[in-house]
Amino acid sequence: GNSVTQMEGPVTLSEEAFLTINCTYTATGYPSLFWYVQYPGEGLQLLLKATKADDKGSNKGFEATYRKETTSFHLEKGSVQVSDSAVYFCALSDTSNTGKLIFGQGTTLQVKP
Amino acid sequence: EAGVVQSPRYKIIEKKQPVAFWCNPISGHNTLYWYLQNLGQGPELLIRYENEEAVDDSQLPKDRFSAERLKGVDSTLKIQPAELGDSAVYLCASSLGGGRGTDTQYFGPGTRLTVL
Repeated sequence: GNSVTQMEGPVTLSEEAFLTINCTYTATGYPSLFWYVQYPGEGLQLLLKATKADDKGSNKGFEATYRKETTSFHLEKGSVQVSDSAVYFCALSDTSNTGKLIFGQGTTLQVKP
Repeated sequence: EAGVVQSPRYKIIEKKQPVAFWCNPISGHNTLYWYLQNLGQGPELLIRYENEEAVDDSQLPKDRFSAERLKGVDSTLKIQPAELGDSAVYLCASSLGGGRGTDTQYFGPGTRLTVL
């Protein structure tokens, strides 16, 4: 079945450091891929998405590229801020086109001043 | 534009009691989802509605969970009776609909349930 695997957290970085959060997936067919972010006390917000191979999603300085050959969708940011501290979830849409999202377990990012 | 609204935000009950959660999706969104999020894990789908029809409820424990979406707008998720293992965050999400895998789902803040 379809599944998503994220790197274990927590990830602790200093402000302005480079961020990578790894995400790999298993799916039949061609799912769309998403990164959601959950700030403390808030609901999940879409950060970025990519709907086909080689697409790059970007938002708020974050980027991720849909790599079909490595079944990956790693999240990157060149310079993190304290305000980026949150839990990040990688997800894919079920390939039966039902719209169902399958999430990874989440990666907690803590950015220190 | 208002986002997805959920209430209550927090609920504490004793085991074997009933509990209900309410969700109001974004106006015009035909698809509504209920997800369960256990501590330290990603959300898992419980049920999906297209308008008022439940089109995917395969993950809903039907012996104690029920849901409805009257008139294809608001939705209620109920647990009766609650068990200790039901302690979790219950998330509601909505999207424009059509079952397209490219649709963006918009999430509410969730209801955190604690069963004592």
